[in-house]
Amino acid sequence: KQEVTQIPAALSVPEGENLVLNCSFTDSAIYNLQWFRQDPGKGLTSLLLIQSSQREQTSGRLNASLDKSSGRSTLYIAASQPGDSATYLCAVQGAQKLVFGQGTRLTINP
Amino acid sequence: GAGVSQSPSNKVTEKGKDVELRCDPISGHTALYWYRQSLGQGLEFLIYFQGNSAPDKSGLPSDRFSAERTGGSVSTLTIQRTQQEDSAVYLCASSFDPQGEAFFGQGTRLTVV
Repeated sequence: KQEVTQIPAALSVPEGENLVLNCSFTDSAIYNLQWFRQDPGKGLTSLLLIQSSQREQTSGRLNASLDKSSGRSTLYIAASQPGDSATYLCAVQGAQKLVFGQGTRLTINP
Repeated sequence: GAGVSQSPSNKVTEKGKDVELRCDPISGHTALYWYRQSLGQGLEFLIYFQGNSAPDKSGLPSDRFSAERTGGSVSTLTIQRTQQEDSAVYLCASSFDPQGEAFFGQGTRLTVV
């Protein structure tokens, strides 16, 4: 059974810092890994998708890496801004479903 | 459509009543997922459709929950005889294929009183 863990559960940093969110998973037989953002009371917004054959993906200030063999992914956020405050979720795609971690609640302080 | 659409956005129902939640996936997306998110909790998988078939119903919490998908498009999640513990946000997602990027709707907030 696939299990996904995200560390830390919560993170608070001052504006402008670079930061790393971590995601680990137990079963390396995945199709892809996806990072989402969730604002309070809202749905999920897809940030980055990394296929199992890829090592990383970049979008603006975001960079996600994937090491499938060790069951790890990181989301790097550069030059953080208050608007980045949200819960960040990683999810791994198996044969028939996305399995989510519990998320990291990120607060960027002005 | 431009994105995944869910209706209603909010639903308040009395305990014991039946409710239907609707999901319109992105046009052409063959995979469709239902998840549930209780207050302050993570996402709980409910059911997955590939086309009109549901190969994985393992997440449905009880036989009061059922779902169907017609025409490879719209899906409805039905909860019979609702209980207070059913109160949650129900999220739907779709992807072009099971290995593709998943896009979520804004969810239906269900409150059972």
